[in-house]
Amino acid sequence: GAVVSQHPSWVICKSGTSVKIECRSLDFQATTMFWYRQFPKQSLMLMATSNEGSKATYEQGVEKDKFLINHASLTLSTLTVTSAHPEDSSFYICSARDRGGDGETQYFGPGTRLLVL
Amino acid sequence: EDQVTQSPEALRLQEGESSSLNCSYTVSGLRGLFWYRQDPGKGPEFLFTLYSAGEEKEKERLKATLTKKESFLHITAPKPEDSATYLCAVQSYTGGFKTIFGAGTRLFVKA
Repeated sequence: GAVVSQHPSWVICKSGTSVKIECRSLDFQATTMFWYRQFPKQSLMLMATSNEGSKATYEQGVEKDKFLINHASLTLSTLTVTSAHPEDSSFYICSARDRGGDGETQYFGPGTRLLVL
Repeated sequence: EDQVTQSPEALRLQEGESSSLNCSYTVSGLRGLFWYRQDPGKGPEFLFTLYSAGEEKEKERLKATLTKKESFLHITAPKPEDSATYLCAVQSYTGGFKTIFGAGTRLFVKA
């Protein structure tokens, strides 16, 4: 149980294009999903918290107009990197809280590696 | 401000050589402390959630313990497949469900 999937697993795009990453909770409902960014050999940096049916809450320093988050249902959240630039290249990981579980534990997706050329 | 510090940064063990990883934390009211395992290029895999001092949880060769200031992840007789980065994270009552992660301990187990 508590499986989270991400799609795509990796993407290469040209500078200036937009990229959408999907995060799905496969066997549970997730009221809240989180988006993280991870640089090589560093820990996870929270970008934003996404609540179903409401606007995402962004961490300080994260541009909300650049990283668009939509949480349209209890099992799906999307992150769109708009007008991507090489500095946006990173490993993006989502996580989801299991609404029916203990409520605190987050389960992570496998990550999406983005390379912007 | 909630903080998590993990030590050591890296740990090299021989197969079968037991050891412990440390996670020191400061939070304003601990909601939960979490241990995850992360393999290169993959998302973190959930291991344990601990809620109160004195709590212990076990899974195969791993055992997590919790005090009011720190948590330990004990690895008994590790195998090469235990090689990974182990992440510790905390949630506080004042922080909602925001999870603060430590930098991780990279474990290398040699056969």
